[in-house]
Amino acid sequence: DAGVIQSPRHEVTEMGQEVTLRCKPISGHNSLFWYRQTMMRGLELLIYFNNNVPIDDSGMPEDRFSAKMPNASFSTLKIQPSEPRDSAVYFCASSLGGTDGYTFGSGTRLTVV
Amino acid sequence: LAKTTQPISMDSYEGQEVNITCSHNNIATNDYITWYQQFPSQGPRFIIQGYKTKVTNEVASLFIPADRKSSTLSLPRVSLSDTAVYYCLVGPYTNAGKSTFGDGTTLTVKP
Repeated sequence: DAGVIQSPRHEVTEMGQEVTLRCKPISGHNSLFWYRQTMMRGLELLIYFNNNVPIDDSGMPEDRFSAKMPNASFSTLKIQPSEPRDSAVYFCASSLGGTDGYTFGSGTRLTVV
Repeated sequence: LAKTTQPISMDSYEGQEVNITCSHNNIATNDYITWYQQFPSQGPRFIIQGYKTKVTNEVASLFIPADRKSSTLSLPRVSLSDTAVYYCLVGPYTNAGKSTFGDGTTLTVKP
């Protein structure tokens, strides 16, 4: 398996633009997580899905953020409109549960100028 | 949610055993303890998970005392490539999203 695949690896956009981050979880994993990492706040859980259903989105900063998981093999995190304070590395992770923990993707480094 | 406390940083030398302790005083009965490793510009990588006593795999051991209010990650004979940030997470087995990452411990291995 190729692991958790995120795209793009890097994204630079102007304030006010819409940004869409993509994630392909490991096949067979039933949980998917979106995290954001910054120097100031560390790793923050934004939202997680179980069997394609959003379970907890209490970490989503505000209404500008939205996430979808239309099927078991694809998820998106959208920011509209983007702001400079959204600049961070966004990680997607998936899990089968049990004692194997989460498998993280390589992340998307987002810069909003 | 159980809050975790770890040392901010630790230094070691190649070949030494490194023990990183995590405090989680309000751990719940159904919480598991999981450790991750993160290198710069990469996502965290799962190392080991346990509930009580001792767990060992090919890369590390996890020691959990009877009261489960702390845990210790043990890395045998570290090398330069073990320089990374190590995170301790505590959360329920059946509700993975309830685990939270703390600030982590930056381990620096010197030659």
